[in-house]
Amino acid sequence: QQQVRQSPQSLTVWEGETAILNCSYEDSTFDYFPWYHQFPGESPALLIAIRPVSNKKEDGRFTIFFNKREKKFSLHIADSQPGDSATYFCAASPYNQGKLIFGQGTKLSIKP
Amino acid sequence: DPKIIQKPKYLVAVTGSEKILICEQYLGHNAMYWYRQSAKKPLEFMFSYSYQKLMDNQTASSRFQPQSSKKNHLDLQITALKPDDSATYFCASSPGTSQDTQYFGPGTRLLVL
Repeated sequence: QQQVRQSPQSLTVWEGETAILNCSYEDSTFDYFPWYHQFPGESPALLIAIRPVSNKKEDGRFTIFFNKREKKFSLHIADSQPGDSATYFCAASPYNQGKLIFGQGTKLSIKP
Repeated sequence: DPKIIQKPKYLVAVTGSEKILICEQYLGHNAMYWYRQSAKKPLEFMFSYSYQKLMDNQTASSRFQPQSSKKNHLDLQITALKPDDSATYFCASSPGTSQDTQYFGPGTRLLVL
């Protein structure tokens, strides 16, 4: 089934803490997993992405952990900043296709 | 300068009418997409085009028809509008369809009364 499940629906963490957002999938044809963020009134923008050949991808404070066996992947935001407050979407794309299947989104709030 | 232009930014329509949402990209990309975002379904894939050819259609209703007159254009015609069609429609593009980064336009917010 081409569906991506995302949790939690909303998350509040204190500034400086690590925020953890989780996603899971069932379709084995998925082989590209990006995370997008969206600020109010704006369009989604790519944050970081991973392919199953790796189980970890880092970009500054943002890290994706990928577990192919369990079909789960997560986004860790280290040293959270108030400017990170946004809605985060995980997504997955089937092999050799461009379409992105998005999760339901996590509204992240960082308390100063 | 904006690289992906969507027009109009806001659109109010009456039930049963027809509207065309415009999308132009100036990134030199070969693939273009339409997504829809509403309170019920946050980000939903609708169509993908590559070199002006339809690659994938996830929209059950034939009321939604993409139109590509030029390589960098992908408009969306919606007929017989319903209140449930109210959403923000995002156009996106990528260099190719092999899971390249997709860049989203600013969106057209459609309200059907």
